Amino acid sequence: QVQLVQSGAEVKKPGSSVKVSCKASGGILDIYAITWVRQAPGQGLEWMGGIIPVSDTAKYAQKFQGRVTFSTDESTSTAYMEINSLRSDDTAVYYCAKVGGPLALIHYGMDVWGQGTTVTVSS
Amino acid sequence: DIVMTQSPDSLAVSLGERATINCKSSESVLYSPSNKYYLGWYQHKPGQPPKLLIHWASTRESGVPDRFSGSGSGTDFTLTISSLQAEDVAVYYCQQYYSLPLTFGGGTKVEIK
Repeated sequence: QVQLVQSGAEVKKPGSSVKVSCKASGGILDIYAITWVRQAPGQGLEWMGGIIPVSDTAKYAQKFQGRVTFSTDESTSTAYMEINSLRSDDTAVYYCAKVGGPLALIHYGMDVWGQGTTVTVSS
Repeated sequence: DIVMTQSPDSLAVSLGERATINCKSSESVLYSPSNKYYLGWYQHKPGQPPKLLIHWASTRESGVPDRFSGSGSGTDFTLTISSLQAEDVAVYYCQQYYSLPLTFGGGTKVEIK
């Protein structure tokens, strides 16, 4: 069964960094892209960007460009999302999700999701 | 960027009654070569990750009850729950996956009246 398992909750200081992991089962990363979506408290879903592991192609939403980095480690079938220069408004639940079609970030919905990782940014 | 606008923000429906959620895209999400609308609907319950219910505007994901249906054309789309059940209480989002950046609607909260 296809599964994405994310790392645990984090509490960080403003200005620091956080790296969230998303471990994939069943060879997902060989074929499918991983996207990252966040939900701030009381807000809706926000697409941050995604990565196609086999080509190491990453795309970022403009507001995250330069501050967020997606990466993958194919040896452990794990995708990562790192945010630098954390601010209080980065407090959110962060989800990784598998794109439903091969080798693309677009043209398919997100059909498998991780359980979410809560990141709290507070001094 | 394609802006997705949902309405209403919330609605309360009696058990067994119909719930209708609307979603409008700021531009077409029809991919002409496949003649498919690149529009999905997600259900999001508290403490759980979102769940893809409908893709290509009207195709139910495997295992999704048939009381959920999607429809629409042009830039106007609808998610209908034909007979609301208690377990359907959630926030529902539409999302376009036609072009980057992928964008979600603001969400519609469905509650029991």
